[in-house]
Amino acid sequence: EAGVVQSPRYKIIEKKQPVAFWCNPISGHNTLYWYRQNLGQGPELLIRYENEEAVDDSQLPKDRFSAERLKGVDSTLKIQPAELGDSAVYLCASTRPPAETQYFGPGTRLLVL
Amino acid sequence: QKEVEQNSGPLSVPEGAIASLNCTYSDRVSQSFFWYRQYSGKSPELIMSIYSNGDKEDGRFTAQLNKASQYVSLLIRDSQPSDSATYLCAVTSGNTPLVFGKGTRLSVIA
Repeated sequence: EAGVVQSPRYKIIEKKQPVAFWCNPISGHNTLYWYRQNLGQGPELLIRYENEEAVDDSQLPKDRFSAERLKGVDSTLKIQPAELGDSAVYLCASTRPPAETQYFGPGTRLLVL
Repeated sequence: QKEVEQNSGPLSVPEGAIASLNCTYSDRVSQSFFWYRQYSGKSPELIMSIYSNGDKEDGRFTAQLNKASQYVSLLIRDSQPSDSATYLCAVTSGNTPLVFGKGTRLSVIA
């Protein structure tokens, strides 16, 4: 079974530029999560999807962050414009309820200069 | 604000010893508890899950849960250098997002 796929693995951009991250969850996993992990911290949830519906986006900074999961499979997380403080690892995870175990992708390391 | 607290470490143990990692949580209605291992530069991977009070063993790993004390721990027996990683404790009440601690960095000295 293929794991969660994310791309790109690394991204370096200048501040005020846009950036997008892509995630393909494990086949059959209808719940998808985007997390941000800062250095020395645990992952923090940005948004959770149940199929194509965003059911928890309370921690998503909506002034600059957006996400979509149009067909309930792949998802894209966008930042526009990026700020220096957005430098972090962006992790995608998926699960298939009622199971609670989340499987993480390799993450995208973002550096904003 | 739901919180999960872990000692950031580093926790250093000699090879072959027992490593004990601890975690406390603030939300009394928490029902599900997870330990993830994260190697440097890698993503978290699930080590153990535990849902009821007591011990749960899986190979060299034992998770211990005490809901009355809001405490969950992970014991690693016969620690190996390959166990050197950051261990993340994560907690949820089922309908709420998984809340992670900051992680404890474990170093197993050969």
